Amino acid sequence: KQEVTQIPAALSVPEGENLVLNCSFTDSAIYNLQWFRQDPGKGLTSLLLIQSSQREQTSGRLNASLDKSSGRSTLYIAASQPGDSATYLCAVENQGGKLIFGQGTELSVKP
Amino acid sequence: SQTIHQWPATLVQPVGSPLSLECTVEGTSNPNLYWYRQAAGRGLQLLFYSVGIGQISSEVPQNLSASRPQDRQFILSSKKLLLSDSGFYLCAWSPIAVRGDEQFFGPGTRLTVL
Repeated sequence: KQEVTQIPAALSVPEGENLVLNCSFTDSAIYNLQWFRQDPGKGLTSLLLIQSSQREQTSGRLNASLDKSSGRSTLYIAASQPGDSATYLCAVENQGGKLIFGQGTELSVKP
Repeated sequence: SQTIHQWPATLVQPVGSPLSLECTVEGTSNPNLYWYRQAAGRGLQLLFYSVGIGQISSEVPQNLSASRPQDRQFILSSKKLLLSDSGFYLCAWSPIAVRGDEQFFGPGTRLTVL
């Protein structure tokens, strides 16, 4: 059974700092891994999608990496801003075509 | 461009009352549709998914049901709500029959059962 774990559960950093969020999964047989952002009381916004054959994806200040063999992904946020404050969720799409989510990392960027 | 709508945005219902949440998608045809629940302090859990009209798969045994009366409409229902049904309900869609594509989420419905 696929399990997805995100560490840390919460993170507080000063503005301008570079940071890394971690995601690990137990079953490497995945189609893709997706990183989402969720603002309080809101739906999910897709940030980056990494196909199982890819190693990384970049969008602006965000870079996500995938090491399928070790069951790990990282989301790197460069030059963090207060507007980056949100909960970040990673999810893997397994062989059954369903997304399995981690519990999320709650990020707070202090001005 | 594609958009996904959910309503209502918030709902407060007494225990034992019925429920109907609606999700519609615009700008695409034959989408896969999904219902997720996010309970307080817990991750998102897939409840139902649908690959076509009238085709519903249930992921977990529960007090809820889903229906897809039209191609781009997905409804989550209950005949009698329980306290444990409280949570944030999210609808999502993805292109049909495409493995490894993104899922796009709606704004969610906050349900409180009292």
